[in-house]
Amino acid sequence: SQTIHQWPATLVQPVGSPLSLECTVEGTSNPNLYWYRQAAGRGLQLLFYSVGIGQISSEVPQNLSASRPQDRQFILSSKKLLLSDSGFYLCAWSHQLARYFGPGTRLLVL
Amino acid sequence: GESVGLHLPTLSVQEGDNSIINCAYSNSASDYFIWYKQESGKGPQFIIDIRSNMDKRQGQRVTVLLNKTVKHLSLQIAATQPGDSAVYFCAETPDDYKLSFGAGTTVTVRA
Repeated sequence: SQTIHQWPATLVQPVGSPLSLECTVEGTSNPNLYWYRQAAGRGLQLLFYSVGIGQISSEVPQNLSASRPQDRQFILSSKKLLLSDSGFYLCAWSHQLARYFGPGTRLLVL
Repeated sequence: GESVGLHLPTLSVQEGDNSIINCAYSNSASDYFIWYKQESGKGPQFIIDIRSNMDKRQGQRVTVLLNKTVKHLSLQIAATQPGDSAVYFCAETPDDYKLSFGAGTTVTVRA
């Protein structure tokens, strides 16, 4: 069966510091991969998606970037965090239409 | 613009009763819909999906109904249990890569 991992689970970072969140998927190959952000009490906002290694599509202009160095690895990065980057970051995978989400990383920027 | 929304932000249900969670969508081009359950501090969990060529689909203790005429989606949970307490999201897919989520309904099960 497929499993999706995210780490770290929780992160507290100062404003202006860099960020790297990692997501890996097991039990499948060539998945579509996604990064979402969820603000407190709100729905999910799609940030990036990838249909293959090195292929990244950005949905909203922002302070973040994504990379896919391997088939089942998706990384979310920032060079300098802003206060507004705080939130719950979710990685997801799909082969068709349904998305399957990871456990999430809660990021607090102070 | 297009949006997906839930009718009520909160729902309180007596344990053992049936729950009905509603969702309205506005994108007539969407042909696939999903219900997710999200417990506090966790990622959304896939519950059930339905394509637009169907009007009903059943899973284990859950049923999704789709009314395309009025662009309405509902999730019915039979014999609600304490473990069903969570936030429930409906989502629609207007294209292959975009999944539009509503803000969610918080379901609280009373013992």
